[in-house]
Amino acid sequence: EIVMTQSPATLSVSPGERATLSCRASQSVSSNLAWYQQKPGQAPRLLIYGASTRATGIPARFSGSGSGTEFTLTISSLQSEDFAVYYCQQFNNWPGTFGQGTKVEIK
Amino acid sequence: QEQLVESGGGVVQPGRSLRLSCAASGFSFRSHAFHWVRQAPGKGLEWVAAISFDGSNKYYADSVKGRFTISRDNSKNTLYLQMNSLGAEDTAVYYCARDHSSGFYDLWGQGTLVTVSS
Repeated sequence: EIVMTQSPATLSVSPGERATLSCRASQSVSSNLAWYQQKPGQAPRLLIYGASTRATGIPARFSGSGSGTEFTLTISSLQSEDFAVYYCQQFNNWPGTFGQGTKVEIK
Repeated sequence: QEQLVESGGGVVQPGRSLRLSCAASGFSFRSHAFHWVRQAPGKGLEWVAAISFDGSNKYYADSVKGRFTISRDNSKNTLYLQMNSLGAEDTAVYYCARDHSSGFYDLWGQGTLVTVSS
């Protein structure tokens, strides 16, 4: 099973600032990496797939990069609605496995 | 609009059974594989089970293999999860999720809470 490790566990950011979240795979997953956003009491929502492709309706301030074992989700200018938990998921090997999540909180 | 709506959660005693349902609308249900993903209170996401578009292939996490059964009824646009021999470790919000076709999940239901407690 591929283990996904996210860092940091918690990221404190002021509104308007940039947030950079990391996700590392225990072995190469090529570009088969997705990012999800989850707000309290809500289901996860797909943000990014294929490491860098934004899902339908996702604002351009969200961007993904990386391949192989190292991936990054960047939120260029945090808005109030972006404070949430973010999960990465590899789907290169079955079944897809999730990272443990990064909580983005208001500084 | 495209939607998944789970139901069937609740409080159940250890060792008992429960069946979850996930009703789909607004898209071609029979064209997609589906998954169940759960989230224990305060924890992360855990994949539970998956089923192919026609129901011919089913996959399970080791933690539920032999106890849970995933199924679907394409005539009713509904996904199911039969959960037997429930234990406290199965307490979680259970989400159904649509497989985009590549293995990531592009549509999620709102979740249904299963609490296993005596």
